Amino acid sequence: AQSVTQLDSQVPVFEEAPVELRCNYSSSVSVYLFWYVQYPNQGLQLLLKYLSGSTLVESINGFEAEFNKSQTSFHLRKPSVHISDTAEYFCAVSDKGTGGFKTIFGAGTRLFVKA
Amino acid sequence: DADVTQTPRNRITKTGKRIMLECSQTKGHDRMYWYRQDPGLGLRLIYYSFDVKDINKGEISDGYSVSRQAQAKFSLSLESAIPNQTALYFCATSDHRGLGTGELFFGEGSRLTVL
Repeated sequence: AQSVTQLDSQVPVFEEAPVELRCNYSSSVSVYLFWYVQYPNQGLQLLLKYLSGSTLVESINGFEAEFNKSQTSFHLRKPSVHISDTAEYFCAVSDKGTGGFKTIFGAGTRLFVKA
Repeated sequence: DADVTQTPRNRITKTGKRIMLECSQTKGHDRMYWYRQDPGLGLRLIYYSFDVKDINKGEISDGYSVSRQAQAKFSLSLESAIPNQTALYFCATSDHRGLGTGELFFGEGSRLTVL
């Protein structure tokens, strides 16, 4: 069975500081990996995804995540955060063998960016 | 207009009442899902549907039922609501007719409070 662990439930950080949101997963099969973001009073939207190829993936708003197969991790990083990055972030995995069916989500990490 | 639309966005009801949450999509996706979000638990899958004639239970289906009225419509019912069903409910879609990756597209959520 697959599982996703987000190691921090809340991460407070000052504006323009770097941030890392940690995600570890367990799976006996090959997986696709995702980070979704949920802004206040909104649904989740895809931030970035790893399907195959380069292990470093980037989003359009400066986030990046690196797939580390040996450590079964997919940590999310940003070198300089903005107030507008305040949101809840969810790491998720889906089973490649089933065409990415049945996504499993982590419990979420609330990022608070302070001025 | 949103690609995945949920109604109602907010609902307060009493224990024992029947509630229906509706979801419609204009993305043309084949698969639709209902998730429940609780603080600290992430998202948990209630039901999913591959197409109109294929409906499946997720990990927490007890107390819920669904109906896929059309390719674009998927409704969730609580036959007799109870307080521990108070949560934020999300409808999501995905497209598996090509190379499926499990990427999900979410509605904005329906907040249900059962008194």
